[in-house]
Amino acid sequence: QSALTQPPSASGSPGQSVTISCTGTSSDVGAYSYVSWYQQQPGKAPKLMISAVSRRPSGVPDRFSGSKSGNTASLTVSGLQTEDEATYYCCSYAGSKVVFGGGTKLSVL
Amino acid sequence: QVQLQESGPGLVKPSQTLSLTCTVSGDSISSGSYYWSWIRQPAGEGLEWIGRIYTSGSLNYKPSLESRVTISVDTSKNQFSLRLSSVTAADTAVYYCARVQADVDAFDIWGQGTMVTVSS
Repeated sequence: QSALTQPPSASGSPGQSVTISCTGTSSDVGAYSYVSWYQQQPGKAPKLMISAVSRRPSGVPDRFSGSKSGNTASLTVSGLQTEDEATYYCCSYAGSKVVFGGGTKLSVL
Repeated sequence: QVQLQESGPGLVKPSQTLSLTCTVSGDSISSGSYYWSWIRQPAGEGLEWIGRIYTSGSLNYKPSLESRVTISVDTSKNQFSLRLSSVTAADTAVYYCARVQADVDAFDIWGQGTMVTVSS
């Protein structure tokens, strides 16, 4: 069982927006602004999409955005594209350790 | 551009020690404010953080693995390493090394991953 809770799946049509939630506790997501999100394509290493709750690294499309409220962080993908189909993992610093969510498989229908 | 590459045996016998090395190229492992970390992923499952090391020697391990894990760094070789003792089939996974940006605590560069199978 993962420390952070994500829905196992999410879906949307091209052009739509989808939001993936990541629920932790007051010891991880709620305590620190060190929530990151990763995109993993099948057979590939994860790729950093969002750091520090809402920072987008260079090269990541601005369709990807992050936010946090209390113990829940969220990743929103706007203007869905077929290449966004992947599994997304959230991650949080938790005071001398790091915890991941179980992953959300995003399907672009 | 910084790249990470894992290396080590793909097959380890139960009860033995798994040893992997991550070679950093494109920059000195000692430059900048970074941690160096290991993450693993069993087939069809999610990511599991194992631990990390700062080049100063500061260490953090996943509590449930702490008794079996050792992460070390060799700045002269620009490498960091993972040792996991007393392995079982449950340790079978793809093992990734990754660089952590310390200011945002995020894994910004990953190795391609290496599959390690624990089997007799």
